[in-house]
Amino acid sequence: AQSVTQLDSQVPVFEEAPVELRCNYSSSVSVYLFWYVQYPNQGLQLLLKYLSGSTLVESINGFEAEFNKSQTSFHLRKPSVHISDTAEYFCAVSTQGGSEKLVFGKGTKLTVNP
Amino acid sequence: DAGVIQSPRHEVTEMGQEVTLRCKPISGHNSLFWYRQTMMRGLELLIYFNNNVPIDDSGMPEDRFSAKMPNASFSTLKIQPSEPRDSAVYFCASGEGRGNTIYFGEGSWLTVV
Repeated sequence: AQSVTQLDSQVPVFEEAPVELRCNYSSSVSVYLFWYVQYPNQGLQLLLKYLSGSTLVESINGFEAEFNKSQTSFHLRKPSVHISDTAEYFCAVSTQGGSEKLVFGKGTKLTVNP
Repeated sequence: DAGVIQSPRHEVTEMGQEVTLRCKPISGHNSLFWYRQTMMRGLELLIYFNNNVPIDDSGMPEDRFSAKMPNASFSTLKIQPSEPRDSAVYFCASGEGRGNTIYFGEGSWLTVV
């Protein structure tokens, strides 16, 4: 069975600083990888996903993540964060050719301070 | 599209009472998921349906929990009897299949006292 580890439960940063949220996964088969964001009192929204092809994927609001198969990682980065990026971020995995269910990590709470 | 619609948004109930959470998935989506979110355990998949058929219910905690999907536009998650440890946010989500985005509802916030 697949699993996801998000190494940091909380990440505080200052506005306009760069940030990296770490995600490692475990799976015996090829995977699809996702990052979801949850703003307070809301459901989860897709931020970006890797299905195949280029290992670097980008979101419309400046986040990017790189799939590294050898390190089984899918870290999320942003070169300059805004106050509005304050939210909880979840990494998730599903298996190619297997069950379509998403397995989530425990989340990383990003707090952007002025 | 209105997105995934869940009701009720908030419910406070007494221990032992029956709780029914409802979900309307996005039209045209053939997969539906029920997740539970707590501080201690994070996001847990309870059950998911494909074309209205339960595919994996291994995450359902115990017999007190049951889920149905009588048609493509409606699903329920029932807890009977409810216990304080069932207090959580329950999310319904729907998608179009493997690799496609799963869309979440706003959640049902359940408090059992």
